[in-house]
Parts: sequence; C-alpha cells; structure tokens
Amino acid sequence: DVKVTQSSRYLVKRTGEKVFLECVQDMDHENMFWYRQDPGLGLRLIYFSYDVKMKEKGDIPEGYSVSREKKERFSLILESASTNQTSMYLCASKGRDLTGELFFGEGSRLTVL
Amino acid sequence: AQSVTQLDSHVSVSEGTPVLLRCNYSSSYSPSLFWYVQHPNKGLQLLLKYTSAATLVKGINGFEAEFKKSETSFHLTKPSAHMSDAAEYFCVVTPYGNKLVFGAGTILRVKS
Repeated sequence: DVKVTQSSRYLVKRTGEKVFLECVQDMDHENMFWYRQDPGLGLRLIYFSYDVKMKEKGDIPEGYSVSREKKERFSLILESASTNQTSMYLCASKGRDLTGELFFGEGSRLTVL
Repeated sequence: AQSVTQLDSHVSVSEGTPVLLRCNYSSSYSPSLFWYVQHPNKGLQLLLKYTSAATLVKGINGFEAEFKKSETSFHLTKPSAHMSDAAEYFCVVTPYGNKLVFGAGTILRVKS
C-alpha cells in the first residue's frame, strides 16, 4: 500500500520555537509538496520540490523553509513559530505525470501558543 | 489567473438521496480537474479526475462528475448518499505543471 507518512500528528509549540515537520514517501515520487489547510480557505501551497535539493516557493512561503536532502524525505521548517502558524499541515507527493494523483499524508496539526 | 469556486460551503442530504456538490473553475489553459475527499482526521484521497478524455468521469464509491466547458463547471454527483460519504470535498484544477489550485471545500453532511 502506497504511503506518505507524517511523523508528528499533533504538536504544541511556543512562540519563537523552531519547528520541524517531517514527511516521508515510499513511492519513489519526484514531486513533494507542503500545504497548509485552514477552515474556509482550502489548501494553500507553501513550498514544493521537484527533485532532491530543488525547491520552489508556493503561494504562502513567508515564515517557512524546506529541505529535501533525500528523494523520499521532505521537511518543513518554521524558523521561529508564531501564533498565526497554528494550522493543519499536509504533505503530498506525486510522480512525473503532470496530471497524476497527489498522495497525501494524514496531516500534522500544529498549535503555537 | 486560475481559480476554483466551490459554490456551497456546506451541503446536507438525507441518506439515500442524491448528492450534488458544485464547482466552477477559471483557467486560461485546458485544465485537468480533480475531486478529492477528506474524511475527519485523514489526508485527502482522490475521488476522480478529468484530463480531456471523456467529459463524464466516474470515480470511486459511486461518484461521478461532468466536465462542461461552456459552463466552466465540474460538478460532483452521486445518485444515493451513504452515511460514509460524510466528509469534506475539494475541487482542484491543475492549469499547468505542478501548480494545483484548490477550492475552499464543501462539507457534506448525511442525515439518517
């Protein structure tokens, strides 16, 4: 069964802390994505990566950075967490096919106090 | 600019009655269109996709959607709702490349 795994389902952090969200996929996909999901706003793209060490900004990259050192792993980093980054974060992966299916992890719910 | 509008934020139906979730899009290109479903505390799962083949697309769990270029619509339907269909549904357009645009979502409630 194909899988995208987000290691942390629930996190509570304090303002100013550095936060790492990890995502691993086992499908050998080239493309990986980080989305933020907020009620009434749908999913908004933070960053995506189309290859190891390659990344592109999405629609809302401010306050976030990413790392992709290995093909299967894509990390989202909040250098200094703020309360407005309290949200659900979803990781997804996709193969080369531009119309291919996105496979999602179950999400990481982050609360910043 | 590419955009997706889901016309209803909430839809409530009785079990056994038809489901209609409405989606309109705008795209400068010939888009690919998708419907994804998200059950509580889960990631999103693909229901169906349109990629310029047949305009009526069948998906999983009895759902289908019809691409209407003249109306720029891609509405999702199901003849008979089941309790397990209660979830949030997202219409997605891929105008080009890896750029996907998500609608705001429609929460479907199924009453027994």
